[in-house]
Amino acid sequence: KAGVTQTPRYLIKTRGQQVTLSCSPISGHRSVSWYQQTPGQGLQFLFEYFSETQRNKGNFPGRFSGRQFSNSRSEMNVSTLELGDSALYLCASSLGLGGLSNQPQHFGDGTRLSIL
Amino acid sequence: GNSVTQMEGPVTLSEEAFLTINCTYTATGYPSLFWYVQYPGEGLQLLLKATKADDKGSNKGFEATYRKETTSFHLEKGSVQVSDSAVYFCALSNFNKFYFGSGTKLNVKP
Repeated sequence: KAGVTQTPRYLIKTRGQQVTLSCSPISGHRSVSWYQQTPGQGLQFLFEYFSETQRNKGNFPGRFSGRQFSNSRSEMNVSTLELGDSALYLCASSLGLGGLSNQPQHFGDGTRLSIL
Repeated sequence: GNSVTQMEGPVTLSEEAFLTINCTYTATGYPSLFWYVQYPGEGLQLLLKATKADDKGSNKGFEATYRKETTSFHLEKGSVQVSDSAVYFCALSNFNKFYFGSGTKLNVKP
């Protein structure tokens, strides 16, 4: 069974640009969550999508947005990039919404975004 | 509210030493508890889980027991290996949300 796939693995952008990251969940998983991981702040929750609707949201500015398609694949977009957006962005999928039915989240290997 | 607190790292041990990484949580109701491991350059991998009080999760020699009376879920391993060097995250799920600890880095020296 294929795991969670994130593309691209690495990205280099400059300040002010925008970026789109992609996540394909495990087949059959309907929930996709996004996290930002940095050395200073650790793992921070961005948002969760389930059945194409955003169900949970963390404390990030509106520059961070996402969407989910009917096949459960998800994209995350960051506009007007800032130096502080440099991070590892992780996607996780699960069967149900946010821990429903005690199911764990399964993570991809992440997209390493560097802002110059 | 819901939160997870882990012991700060890094934790440095010699090979074959006993490992304990402390994790305590705050939650209402009956959360499920998880340990994840992250190797360099990779995402988080589920290590073990426990879904109710007194459950013991175990995998690859690691164990953790869900203690509701002390709101703890400490990770233990009897004999660590160099290959166990990684960052370990404690997490809980409750009311349709996940909450992660800040992670504890483990360094195992040969």
